[in-house]
Amino acid sequence: NAGVMQNPRHLVRRRGQEARLRCSPMKGHSHVYWYRQLPEEGLKFMVYLQKENIIDESGMPKERFSAEFPKEGPSILRIQQVVRGDSAAYFCASSLAGGLQETQYFGPGTRLLVL
Amino acid sequence: TQLLEQSPQFLSIQEGENLTVYCNSSSVFSSLQWYRQEPGEGPVLLVTVVTGGEVKKLKRLTFQFGDARKDSSLHITAAQPGDTGLYLCAGATNFNKFYFGSGTKLNVKP
Repeated sequence: NAGVMQNPRHLVRRRGQEARLRCSPMKGHSHVYWYRQLPEEGLKFMVYLQKENIIDESGMPKERFSAEFPKEGPSILRIQQVVRGDSAAYFCASSLAGGLQETQYFGPGTRLLVL
Repeated sequence: TQLLEQSPQFLSIQEGENLTVYCNSSSVFSSLQWYRQEPGEGPVLLVTVVTGGEVKKLKRLTFQFGDARKDSSLHITAAQPGDTGLYLCAGATNFNKFYFGSGTKLNVKP
């Protein structure tokens, strides 16, 4: 399966713990996007990365959230000291190149539950 | 504040009926995409429209982009239970950032 992979699919954390969400883009894709989705809502843009660079993080909270896309390995979305309001589905998408007409392929998501 | 408003939010119809879903905004978009999302899965791209007034057909689905590139519609003919899902529109206003609508949840009853 050459699609976008995300793991874990489900993650349970207690308040104050750290959550690490991983995304492996489609083979050959160097652009990664992270989105957050609350129940019954659309997706909200968080951050756009290329290999080793953050291009746009305007949708990501300035505190506790960080993202990286290293030269080797998956992209990581890290949430420190999680709170109940962080509970949501987090989706990663990848594209072959940048550009407004580039197709974004989505992964299956990680569902984070903060107790 | 939602940049893209979708209507209706929920739609429950019988198999064989037709339906239209709307995606509206006061902003102009360079392109607009429609996705379908099933429970527990990520969105799957259905179509991208780029030109104002553009109409694209995908089997029983017809997508239209408004002349002013501010709105779009999705029309499904003779809906089937397999069409059930969350339909999302997403507009691109600047480089590589997409704004999603809140979605229309469609249920097609057999």
